[in-house]
Amino acid sequence: SQQGEEDPQALSIQEGENATMNCSYKTSINNLQWYRQNSGRGLVHLILIRSNEREKHSGRLRVTLDTSKKSSSLLITASRAADTASYFCATGTYTGANSKLTFGKGITLSVRP
Amino acid sequence: DTAVSQTPKYLVTQMGNDKSIKCEQNLGHDTMYWYKQDSKKFLKIMFSYNNKELIINETVPNRFSPKSPDKAHLNLHINSLELGDSAVYFCASGRAANNEQFFGPGTRLTVL
Repeated sequence: SQQGEEDPQALSIQEGENATMNCSYKTSINNLQWYRQNSGRGLVHLILIRSNEREKHSGRLRVTLDTSKKSSSLLITASRAADTASYFCATGTYTGANSKLTFGKGITLSVRP
Repeated sequence: DTAVSQTPKYLVTQMGNDKSIKCEQNLGHDTMYWYKQDSKKFLKIMFSYNNKELIINETVPNRFSPKSPDKAHLNLHINSLELGDSAVYFCASGRAANNEQFFGPGTRLTVL
């Protein structure tokens, strides 16, 4: 069953602007991750935040996690045309060998040059 | 150099046929996965294998049979293909204790 719900479904911004994408989920998690998918390609892992973390940075990416609200946000600062892609949040759970990601429907980000 | 590879990249076939997709990872991971991405880009897990043992089977029709000959390979065989099987199938690998997964480039399956 679907876990993450991203918001908005589509986002169009000008190059140089910041892009903020949100994700909400329903059940307990071990971590939350964001992935990027360029058109016709596989998914690329961007960043992982553990359930006991509140904020994490990686280059131009900043992700926050609020487990009390069961929500996360991904901020891409100073966007570039090359950031145009679909972005997925995925909730991670693992118990022994049962390790699983449940993906949301994705957000389509368009960055206009 | 490719971390997770899949073959073929494209597969076009007639309804009723049987086909296989192969996946290999050279990352030394203990867990491999198959996902299906539909036309609306919704990505759904189908199977996971940990050290060649089936761990997750997400209510996938029996026509789909994964096979893991060793930890580095997870193949997907599909019998009696149906129109609704048309999708992009992604293989991924990771470590069970760390949910981060590495995805292959995908196989676009078109059933006519």
